[in-house]
Amino acid sequence: SQTIHQWPATLVQPVGSPLSLECTVEGTSNPNLYWYRQAAGRGLQLLFYSVGIGQISSEVPQNLSASRPQDRQFILSSKKLLLSDSGFYLCAWRRTGVLGEQYFGPGTRLTVT
Amino acid sequence: GENVEQHPSTLSVQEGDSAVIKCTYSDSASNYFPWYKQELGKRPQLIIDIRSNVGEKKDQRIAVTLNKTAKHFSLHITETQPEDSAVYFCAASVTSMDSWGKLQFGAGTQVVVTP
Repeated sequence: SQTIHQWPATLVQPVGSPLSLECTVEGTSNPNLYWYRQAAGRGLQLLFYSVGIGQISSEVPQNLSASRPQDRQFILSSKKLLLSDSGFYLCAWRRTGVLGEQYFGPGTRLTVT
Repeated sequence: GENVEQHPSTLSVQEGDSAVIKCTYSDSASNYFPWYKQELGKRPQLIIDIRSNVGEKKDQRIAVTLNKTAKHFSLHITETQPEDSAVYFCAASVTSMDSWGKLQFGAGTQVVVTP
């Protein structure tokens, strides 16, 4: 069976500090991977998606970036955090060749102070 | 691009009653419509989905209906229980074997089931 991991689970960072969030998927190969952000009490905003190693597409221009150094690893980064970067960051995966189903990881709750 | 609107934003129901959440979408090419349930502080969980070649799908107490002509789909929860209290999100996407499967989410509906 497939499992998706995210870490850290929670993070408190000062404004201007760097960020690195990691997501890994087990039990599948060449998944489609997605990063979402959810502000408090709000909906899900797609930030980045990837269909393969080194292939990243950005949905929203901002001070965040994403990388996919390995097939089942997806990283979200920032060089300098803003207060508005606070939120619940969710990684999701979808099996290539399967119509639809997208599954979310447990999320990282980021508070920028 | 796709735009999904979801109503109502909050829904309060008595335990045992039914709950209905409605979503409309803008892109007639959308062919996959999942529903997610998110409990407080948790990840969204896929609870049911429907593809455009089907008009209705049921799974125990939940069902989803799709009207392609009107471009709307709905989630129906019957015999609601307190554990159904959560935020529910609808989504739509154009999905195929080679697509990237990007989901456009609605804004969410907070469902509160009172005993």
